[in-house]
Amino acid sequence: KQEVTQIPAALSVPEGENLVLNCSFTDSAIYNLQWFRQDPGKGLTSLLLIQSSQREQTSGRLNASLDKSSGRSTLYIAASQPGDSATYLCAIQFPNNAGNMLTFGGGTRLMVKP
Amino acid sequence: ETGVTQTPRHLVMGMTNKKSLKCEQHLGHNAMYWYKQSAKKPLELMFVYSLEERVENNSVPSRFSPECPNSSHLFLHLHTLQPEDSALYLCASSQEQFVDTQYFGPGTRLTVL
Repeated sequence: KQEVTQIPAALSVPEGENLVLNCSFTDSAIYNLQWFRQDPGKGLTSLLLIQSSQREQTSGRLNASLDKSSGRSTLYIAASQPGDSATYLCAIQFPNNAGNMLTFGGGTRLMVKP
Repeated sequence: ETGVTQTPRHLVMGMTNKKSLKCEQHLGHNAMYWYKQSAKKPLELMFVYSLEERVENNSVPSRFSPECPNSSHLFLHLHTLQPEDSALYLCASSQEQFVDTQYFGPGTRLTVL
C-alpha cells in the first residue's frame, strides 16, 4: 500500500528565506509526483508535476526534485514571500490492482511572515 | 470561464435531505474525479470517471452516488448523510485518467446537521 508523508506539518518563516518542504512515499513504483498549493477553504492549484523518469522540475521560484530510489521528493521555494502562505500537498500517481491510483500526503501548512 | 467550476460553494443539509453537488469542466478533459477533504485528514479519492465510465470507487458508502452524464459534467448525489460526512468536496479533471496534471475546482463546503 502506497503511503505518502509530508514533513513538517506546519512551517513558519520570515519573508525572504529559502525553504524546503519534504514528501516521502513507501513504494517506488510510481507514474509521477505532483505538488499542489491549497489556499484556505479553496481548491488545489497544480504547481509542478514530475514524471517518474525525471529528476526535477522548475517553475519560477519553485524547484521540485524526485528521488524514486529513496522514496523522496522536495519542494524548494526560493526567496519566500507572504503570498506563498498556503498549504502545500504532494500527490503520488501509481498503479494498483484496479488500474491507477492517486494518494495525497497530509500537507505542509506554510506561513511566511512579512 | 474558469477551468473547473463547482456549485453550490456552500451547502448545509439535514440528515434526511437529498441534495446534489455539481461539477463542470471547460477544459475538454476526458477524466473527472470526486475527492473528499476532511479536517486533519489527507485528501481522499472517492470516484473516478474516464470517458463517462466509472473506473474507481474506493469503497465509498452508498449514500454517495455519482453521475457523469457527459465528459463535461459530474454530479454527486447525496442522501441520508451523517454528520461525519461534513467536509470539503473537491472535483477535478485531467486530460487522461491519472497520468496528467489534475485541475481542481474550488470545492463545495458541506455541513450535515
